[in-house]
This record gives sequence, C-alpha cells and structure tokens, in this order.
Amino acid sequence: AQSVTQPDIHITVSEGASLELRCNYSYGATPYLFWYVQSPGQGLQLLLKYFSGDTLVQGIKGFEAEFKRSQSSFNLRKPSVHWSDAAEYFCAVGGTSNTGKLIFGQGTTLQVKP
Amino acid sequence: EAGVAQSPRYKIIEKRQSVAFWCNPISGHATLYWYQQILGQGPKLLIQFQNNGVVDDSQLPKDRFSAERLKGVDSTLKIQPAKLEDSAVYLCASSLGGGPDTQYFGPGTRLTVL
Repeated sequence: AQSVTQPDIHITVSEGASLELRCNYSYGATPYLFWYVQSPGQGLQLLLKYFSGDTLVQGIKGFEAEFKRSQSSFNLRKPSVHWSDAAEYFCAVGGTSNTGKLIFGQGTTLQVKP
Repeated sequence: EAGVAQSPRYKIIEKRQSVAFWCNPISGHATLYWYQQILGQGPKLLIQFQNNGVVDDSQLPKDRFSAERLKGVDSTLKIQPAKLEDSAVYLCASSLGGGPDTQYFGPGTRLTVL
C-alpha cells in the first residue's frame, strides 16, 4: 500500500540552528515526492518537489531535500532556521499516472525558539 | 496571478444538516481537487476533476458527499447529511494538468459539525 510516514509529530529548534524533518515513503513505482508547508489559517504551499535527476533538490525559503531510494526517504533540511519557519510541514508522494492524487504524511509541527 | 479561492472560510452546522463549499481555481487550470484534512492528519483526496469530468472519486463517501464542477471552472462540494466525523478543513487545489503538475491550494473551509 502507498503511504508516507513522518516520524516526528513535533520538533522544536532554536532560531539559527539547523533543521532536518524526516519523511519515509512506501510506493510501488518511482514516486514523485513533495514537501509542503502550512501556516495557521493558510493553505498548503509547495516548498520543493522531486521528479527525477539530481537527488538533492533545492526549494524556496532556503530549504532543500535529498531523495534516497535505498532508504525510501526524502528528508527536508535547512541550515539555519528563522522564526518565520514555524509552521506545519507535510511530505507527500504522488504517482506518474494521469491522476494527480497526493498521499500525505501526518505532518510535523515545527516550533522555533528565540 | 490570483490564487485558489474558497468560501466560506468557516462554517458551523448541526449534525444531519447540509452544507456546501465553493471553490474557484486558478484561471486556466484544468484539474481541480478536493481534499479533506482532519485535525492532526495530512490531507486526504476526496475527488479529482479534469475539466468537468471526474478522474478519481474513490475516497468520496458517496452516500453523503457530492461534488460537481460546472463548465470545467468553479466547483462545489456538498455534504448531506453531515456527521460529527465530517468536522475537518476542506481544501481545494488546482493544477495546470493532471499527473505530477504542481497543485496550488486554497486557504480551506473549516467545518465544525456539532
């Protein structure tokens, strides 16, 4: 069955510290992988996506993610967190067929300490 | 460019009542999605339209939920009758095409069923 697991429900980091959010997926075919961010009262905003090619993907707001097929992982990283990064982060996997259905993980809430 | 518009933003109803949500996608986007996001979970796809045809409605509870996309543009999602477990945020998203095209999300409608 297709699924996405985000092992960390809640993470707290200090402003300026580095960040890594974990994402593991289960998918039968080669997946398309996404990271979205959701601020309170807002819709989801795409941070980055991986379709093929270079396994290190750069996104907006200084985020990057690395696709590791052997580990079925797509972890999100940022070298220095800003207070405005506090939000909920969702990893999602989608297929290559006509349907654009995304399967989301349960999300990781990021809290940033001053 | 205007984003995905949704209304209302908030709705409170009693169980067994009916409710409808409206979505206006980004101009020119052929594909429209409705997702349900229950508190503490990631979004789950309810239905996907390509123009005004249904691509995927496998997770839509068809005994109480219905959706339509008039003339391939705006869409409405209806619940009749509502149950307590329908309390969630209903997110609309649109994309240029189907498949892996980036999905742009609206702000959502928060439904509370009492």
